[in-house]
Amino acid sequence: QSVLTQPPSASGTPGQRVTISCSGSSSNIGSNTVNWYQQLPGTAPKLLIYSNDQRPSGVPDRFSGSKSGTSASLAISGLQSDDEADYYCSTWDDSLRVFGGGTKLTVL
Amino acid sequence: EVQVVQSGAELKKPGTTVKISCSVSGYTFTAYYVHWVQQAPGKGLEWMGLIDPEDGFTRYSEKFQGRVTISADTSTDTAYMELSSLRSEDTAVYFCTPAGFGSNNKYFDLWGRGTLITVSS
Repeated sequence: QSVLTQPPSASGTPGQRVTISCSGSSSNIGSNTVNWYQQLPGTAPKLLIYSNDQRPSGVPDRFSGSKSGTSASLAISGLQSDDEADYYCSTWDDSLRVFGGGTKLTVL
Repeated sequence: EVQVVQSGAELKKPGTTVKISCSVSGYTFTAYYVHWVQQAPGKGLEWMGLIDPEDGFTRYSEKFQGRVTISADTSTDTAYMELSSLRSEDTAVYFCTPAGFGSNNKYFDLWGRGTLITVSS
């Protein structure tokens, strides 16, 4: 059971905007920045967002992140079939790194 | 080219110890922490611990504390993860991931392809 709570699944149709939430507490999200990762089947995770809302170079601006209090969100606009993957939030909690349980995104 | 190369798959018996490696190139090994992350079949990511290659400082997840040892060799730019008292639940892919902020305030994040450890009698 992770200290960061994500919905196990999410879905959307091509072109739609979807959001994935990540809920924590004052000891983790409330006092640290959040990263988001995308993991395609059979591959290593890829960094999508760091420091709550920053995109690494090469990540499309369709992906955006935000944080408010003890929760964070990842938004994907203009949904594409290639976005079908698992998504994980991550932050620190008492100097230990933690991941959310992951959200499986299905593109209908 | 910046890259992480992890050692090959391992098949181990319950109760034994495994040590896997993570060799990096293309950046300064001591500039970033190296994290190890476990992913059991069909499950999510579980952080195991980290090492600061510059001074050998380590920190471990409570779940693995006492069974995991992370080390680094700066002469070969290689990090290691040793897991003892193996049990079937340790069957998983183990990722090595150097990460952290650089002097330019950009976040550096690199992942190996993972090493599959299978624990079976």
